[in-house]
Amino acid sequence: SAVISQKPSRDICQRGTSLTIQCQVDSQVTMMFWYRQQPGQSLTLIATANQGSEATYESGFVIDKFPISRPNLTFSTLTVSNMSPEDSSIYLCSVTSGTGSNQPQHFGDGTRLSIL
Amino acid sequence: TQLLEQSPQFLSIQEGENLTVYCNSSSVFSSLQWYRQEPGEGPVLLVTVVTGGEVKKLKRLTFQFGDARKDSSLHITAAQPGDTGLYLCLGTSYGKLTFGQGTILTVHP
Repeated sequence: SAVISQKPSRDICQRGTSLTIQCQVDSQVTMMFWYRQQPGQSLTLIATANQGSEATYESGFVIDKFPISRPNLTFSTLTVSNMSPEDSSIYLCSVTSGTGSNQPQHFGDGTRLSIL
Repeated sequence: TQLLEQSPQFLSIQEGENLTVYCNSSSVFSSLQWYRQEPGEGPVLLVTVVTGGEVKKLKRLTFQFGDARKDSSLHITAAQPGDTGLYLCLGTSYGKLTFGQGTILTVHP
C-alpha cells in the first residue's frame, strides 16, 4: 500500500496567519483527499485534490479559506488561511489507487493544528 | 444526503469481553469499509465488504454487510487492550464517501 508522509505533524499558530500542510506519497495515486477531524471524532471531507485542476470542495468549505494544490500524482498541499481558533483540528491527507469507488483509502498520520 | 449512523459512540469494556459496533443507513452502499485509528495516527483499513450478506473474519474480528447493503456490523470476540482505538465505518456509493460518527473503544486489562 502507498506510504504517505504528511508535514508538519503538528503546529501552533497565531490567529490571522496561514499554514500550508504537505502530503507526499511514495507512488502515483488516483485520488487525493483532505479531511478535518476533531480528536476522537469522525472525519469530515474538505475537498478532493485534482491533479492539474481546481480541487472539488464539499459543502461548507471554500477555496479562499482552504486553497489546495496538486501539481502531480504524488504530491498535494492544503493551506489553512487566515486561521482562527475554530480551525484548531487534525488535518488528514488520504489517497486511493486504482479505479472504482470501492478502493480503500490510505491515510497520512495527520497534522495537529492549534490556533492561539 | 446520505447518513451512516454508527453506534455506540463510546464503549468501555474489560479484557475478554465481546462487543459489536453497528453502522446503519437508509441508503444503499456499493461498499462498506471499516477502519481503526490510534491516537496520533491516521485511520488504517481493516476490511472492505461489497456483497450483501457478506461476512469476513480477521482473527477475532467479524464483519458483516447487511443483505440490503444498508448496514454493517463489526464484532470483536475476547477483546484485548490492543483493540483500543477509534473505529470508523465508511460507506461508498457512486463515488460519494460517507463516514459514520465513530466508536471509541477502550479495553481495560
